[in-house]
Amino acid sequence: EAGVAQSPRYKIIEKRQSVAFWCNPISGHATLYWYQQILGQGPKLLIQFQNNGVVDDSQLPKDRFSAERLKGVDSTLKIQPAKLEDSAVYLCASSIRDSWSPLHFGNGTRLTVT
Amino acid sequence: GQQVMQIPQYQHVQEGEDFTTYCNSSTTLSNIQWYKQRPGGHPVFLIQLVKSGEVKKQKRLTFQFGEAKKNSSLHITATQTTDVGTYFCAGPESNSGYALNFGKGTSLLVTP
Repeated sequence: EAGVAQSPRYKIIEKRQSVAFWCNPISGHATLYWYQQILGQGPKLLIQFQNNGVVDDSQLPKDRFSAERLKGVDSTLKIQPAKLEDSAVYLCASSIRDSWSPLHFGNGTRLTVT
Repeated sequence: GQQVMQIPQYQHVQEGEDFTTYCNSSTTLSNIQWYKQRPGGHPVFLIQLVKSGEVKKQKRLTFQFGEAKKNSSLHITATQTTDVGTYFCAGPESNSGYALNFGKGTSLLVTP
């Protein structure tokens, strides 16, 4: 099966600019996750969708981050405006059902904010 | 909220030595999952433990879930250079839509 697709792979922006990431999950997977991984740390959940509804966005900085999953398939994560501390790898993952099911991760987008 | 803690943060072993990483949760977990992330890569699912006291093996890897379902361990016998990477445990946050909380991971370095 095709894996989780993410783009772009790398992005460099200046602080206060905006950026968007795209994710296409594995076909048939109901749940989609966006994680932020800062260097040397474990992935931190930003938002979890089940189909096109939000299950958990408690750790999403909603003043600057937004995410949507239209039609319950692919998803975009946006940051506007970016801060230096947003520099991280943004990982998209999907699972067939919910967090009881194994997560399949994409290759991630490495964001550098200068 | 629930926290998942892992120790040690780093481990450097000689090839052939054994390795163990420990995972502790502040709350009882319905299940625990283990992932491996190679340098420059993304986390890859290894295994899921569900039952109290459960032990599962994958070749040289042995995974254990504590009796109280609040801790877990991963043991690698006779490490190889291919075992290099960061090992994460993750458990669902019961108060938050069962979102998967990851520990900070244990980075394993194996020198030949």
